[in-house]
Amino acid sequence: QKEVEQDPGPLSVPEGAIVSLNCTYSNSAFQYFMWYRQYSRKGPELLMYTYSSGNKEDGRFTAQVDKSSKYISLFIRDSQPSDSATYLCATTLNAGGTSYGKLTFGQGTILTVHP
Amino acid sequence: GAGVSQSPSNKVTEKGKDVELRCDPISGHTALYWYRQSLGQGLEFLIYFQGNSAPDKSGLPSDRFSAERTGGSVSTLTIQRTQQEDSAVYLCASSPGRAREQYFGPGTRLTVT
Repeated sequence: QKEVEQDPGPLSVPEGAIVSLNCTYSNSAFQYFMWYRQYSRKGPELLMYTYSSGNKEDGRFTAQVDKSSKYISLFIRDSQPSDSATYLCATTLNAGGTSYGKLTFGQGTILTVHP
Repeated sequence: GAGVSQSPSNKVTEKGKDVELRCDPISGHTALYWYRQSLGQGLEFLIYFQGNSAPDKSGLPSDRFSAERTGGSVSTLTIQRTQQEDSAVYLCASSPGRAREQYFGPGTRLTVT
């Protein structure tokens, strides 16, 4: 079993839809959570970075962390064709844990927003 | 400001040759990471440098892989005696500190023929 599970999709939605992307993780020592967006043949771009359980909002993006169920989500409101990309969740250990700092990634979800 | 840069962007090499991949992190970032991205394996951690501490090499797949970071800035990932299974995109990331947000470069696409 992978430490971080993410449905690879692909996910196809119409422009303007609300998109929900999800990951689950198995190690309760994971404390920091990130969402990256990766366009084809480009490096991952950091979208959201959260530490605690709860919601964090940035424009059309909302990251949600539920540590009790080891579940993280990214919501995209009013999705646009330019949001079409692969979305990767990532997590790392808390300070003081062994090998903290290195990111463990989900497999990535391919999203297509069609006009 | 300038982001993480990597060179070359693409590298084609013959099986058995050695290759060097370069990473220039964001100025002032103390932590530097190398990852590998391949179909079927996703993004995998390779090695991590933090300040003057000994690097975390726990993700290196074999002793053919090595990396160094000079002067706390530029890093070079070296793959000796390349194999076809080494074909992948090699990504470098830097961070202002451990367990902090990481910013990725565009990657080097390595093809071993």
